[in-house]
Amino acid sequence: DAMVIQNPRYQVTQFGKPVTLSCSQTLNHNVMYWYQQKSSQAPKLLFHYYDKDFNNEADTPDNFQSRRPNTSFCFLDIRSPGLGDAAMYLCATSREGPREQNKETQYFGPGTRLLVL
Amino acid sequence: RKEVEQDPGPFNVPEGATVAFNCTYSNSASQSFFWYRQDCRKEPKLLMSVYSSGNEDGRFTAQLNRASQYISLLIRDSKLSDSATYLCVVRSNDYKLSFGAGTTVTVRA
Repeated sequence: DAMVIQNPRYQVTQFGKPVTLSCSQTLNHNVMYWYQQKSSQAPKLLFHYYDKDFNNEADTPDNFQSRRPNTSFCFLDIRSPGLGDAAMYLCATSREGPREQNKETQYFGPGTRLLVL
Repeated sequence: RKEVEQDPGPFNVPEGATVAFNCTYSNSASQSFFWYRQDCRKEPKLLMSVYSSGNEDGRFTAQLNRASQYISLLIRDSKLSDSATYLCVVRSNDYKLSFGAGTTVTVRA
């Protein structure tokens, strides 16, 4: 009963060739996040959607874009992958709002491991 | 200074041993605290929330010290299956989470 699903689980792309990673959720959470995680490092937030509102982190390169066509789906587009973009990409979701009182946490998908050749 | 700092370990312990480790956080306005477990090449999974009074979940005990801004996790009667990286996670006034880089625990037979 996967609640946050990511496809594909493994993605190989060529240097400079655009790639799209997908995430879907059955939790009906209103916030969806994309993280990049490299070996032995903490997950790094790239951006998130709060409902339909896109929120980019200040240090996220322009090479990374995102789309959220509906509540359930969110995509990560890497326009021109470089060797340094090889990483695990994690999608996460949470439910946020006044009733949640800042106590909610996030639930992660299994991740997509990206390899750039 | 990182928002959340953890001793990376590794902590190598025999089965049945008790292992404990801390993390510190820099934002005194942090609201909620969590421990996540991450297995090699897998996603982080919520292990437990950390409450002000301290809380237990089976063999796992979490403590929060707001005055000193640290969180601890103690694992009793370690099992081989407890081998993983444990991420300390802090939520501030906004809904974003700050992650530590993780503490690696290896339980040996």
